[in-house]
Amino acid sequence: EVQLVESGGGLVQPGRSLRLSCTASGFTFGDYAMSWVRQAPGKGLEWVGFIRSKAYGGTTDYAASVKGRFTISSDDSKSIAYLQMNSLKTEDTAVYYCSRDLLELGTYYFDYWGQGTLVTVSS
Amino acid sequence: SYELTQPLSVSVAPGQTARITCGGNNIGDKNVHWYQQKPGQAPVLVIYRDSNRPSGIPERFSGSNSGNTATLTITRAQVGDEADYYCQVWASSTGVFGGGTKVTVL
Repeated sequence: EVQLVESGGGLVQPGRSLRLSCTASGFTFGDYAMSWVRQAPGKGLEWVGFIRSKAYGGTTDYAASVKGRFTISSDDSKSIAYLQMNSLKTEDTAVYYCSRDLLELGTYYFDYWGQGTLVTVSS
Repeated sequence: SYELTQPLSVSVAPGQTARITCGGNNIGDKNVHWYQQKPGQAPVLVIYRDSNRPSGIPERFSGSNSGNTATLTITRAQVGDEADYYCQVWASSTGVFGGGTKVTVL
């Protein structure tokens, strides 16, 4: 059974950093890309960024709203994806989900999601 | 950047058909995916690549995509289908979500 469990959320002051983890099980982690998607309170889904599988270079891409502040990495040996968030702003307050990404015909979609972890940026 | 437009809300009577649209420039040239999200829960994939259902998703859910509009159709709507629905595409190496549509069954 595929499982994704996020951790590391909490209350953080503006300008500070936080690292989220997504621990995967039930599949060969290194064969898949992984995304982070967030949802601000009462708002819709916003794609944050993703990391490609090693077969596709292990490279990353990000939404414009977080580029230069957030970094995604992964440890295939531990089946964990990370989201390092620096220079946090109040508008980064959201539930952060990780997802497993499937690549088919040049498009990625998200077939499994974790339950999310809440990040609150406030002084 | 590519944008997707969804209606804020759709209402449907039990047993009837709900259609949720997702508009985008030449979206028919892209692969569209749909997610269902119930309150307090993570999203669930209900349609991928325009019209494919993952295992476990009822046949009542179907999708189509042409021109500037993709559509998620829920036939024989049930109270349990009440949720927010999001369309998603992949554009210029980034994921893009529509703003979401709240479906009410009453």
